[in-house]
Amino acid sequence: EIVLTQSPTTMAASPGEKITITCSASSSISSNYLHWYQQKPGFSPKLLIYRTSNLASGVPARFSGSGSGTSYSLTIGTMEAEDVATYYCQQGSSIPLTFGSGTKLEIK
Amino acid sequence: EVKLVESGGGLVQPGGSLRLSCATSGFTFSDFYMEWVRQPPGKRLEWIAASRNKANDYTTEYSASVKGRFIVSRDTSQSILYLQMNALRAEDTAIYYCARAATEGFAYWGQGTLVTVSA
Repeated sequence: EIVLTQSPTTMAASPGEKITITCSASSSISSNYLHWYQQKPGFSPKLLIYRTSNLASGVPARFSGSGSGTSYSLTIGTMEAEDVATYYCQQGSSIPLTFGSGTKLEIK
Repeated sequence: EVKLVESGGGLVQPGGSLRLSCATSGFTFSDFYMEWVRQPPGKRLEWIAASRNKANDYTTEYSASVKGRFIVSRDTSQSILYLQMNALRAEDTAIYYCARAATEGFAYWGQGTLVTVSA
């Protein structure tokens, strides 16, 4: 099983601040199978970025993703209040599919 | 418009059974992999089951935590995905989501249905 470890677990950012969340995999993953989701309290997860760096439909351009092998990251170029959520990475490379431990993003 | 609507959740005693449904519309059901993902209260997302598409004979996969107890199936005539859950345990308490999968990730999710396993 590929374990995905995210850091930080929780963070607070000021409006306009740049933030980066990392996702570390226990084994190498093809970048075609690493995705990011945003989940707001009380709502279903929403696909944010697919295949490491592709923005899903309707996702603001301030979101971006990068990485390869065992190290991936999600960046928000300028933090906005509506970005308060928990973010998860997910690998679709091998069964069992797995999600990261989650990063809760709050606003200062 | 793609829609996924789960139903069937509720309170069940340990050892009991429950069947969840995921009614889909807006896409060709047989073309897509479908997944079940759950989320215990306050915890991370956990993938638990997959149903591959028609091209892959609707074969299934399960996580170790549910294998042998849960069964995923489809009613292709009505475009409904099911999850039959047997021998339920307290640790199965969670919100259960169905999702449509593709190589681009899980682009569509249902609203979720809450399953509570308690005496």
